[in-house]
Amino acid sequence: GENVEQHPSTLSVQEGDSAVIKCTYSDSASNYFPWYKQELGKRPQLIIDIRSNVGEKKDQRIAVTLNKTAKHFSLHITETQPEDSAVYFCAARLGAQKLVFGQGTRLTINP
Amino acid sequence: DAGVIQSPRHEVTEMGQEVTLRCKPISGHDYLFWYRQTMMRGLELLIYFNNNVPIDDSGMPEDRFSAKMPNASFSTLKIQPSEPRDSAVYFCASSSLQGAGYTFGSGTRLTVV
Repeated sequence: GENVEQHPSTLSVQEGDSAVIKCTYSDSASNYFPWYKQELGKRPQLIIDIRSNVGEKKDQRIAVTLNKTAKHFSLHITETQPEDSAVYFCAARLGAQKLVFGQGTRLTINP
Repeated sequence: DAGVIQSPRHEVTEMGQEVTLRCKPISGHDYLFWYRQTMMRGLELLIYFNNNVPIDDSGMPEDRFSAKMPNASFSTLKIQPSEPRDSAVYFCASSSLQGAGYTFGSGTRLTVV
């Protein structure tokens, strides 16, 4: 089955700097890659996603890139703010709807 | 749309007791998922349904766990008997084939003492 590896497990950056989180997946048939943000004590919420026919997608300060050949995708957050502090999960979908999640990255933005 | 609704939000029970978690998916979503989240194991898919039919239950840890979806608007996850190692946050999520990603419920924090 699909396996998703996420790195780093923790990331600390200064406010205003950029943050990058990387994920790799194992099954080349995976076709959809969402990213979720989970604040402490809350539910995971979808923040951005990318499909396998697209190489990059951007939404304001966040962007996701996909390299199908290398089977990895990344989340980029620019001009980080304190409210960006959270746990971020990547995921990969194989077939109809089943998502496999990475282990998560705890992002801390230092003022 | 009220989103995915789970109940209860918190459950504390004694080892050996039966626990039932409930979920109401978003109307029109034909997929429903049960996930368990712990610090050690992250987000684990337990089971998912399509059009009320269980499709993949390979993540259900053992026979003590069972899940049902009697209709399109309701699902339950039952643990009988419960054990301390079942303590976790259990999330329900729903999606549609045309939609993007999942919508998660607020979760049920289960503590078995």
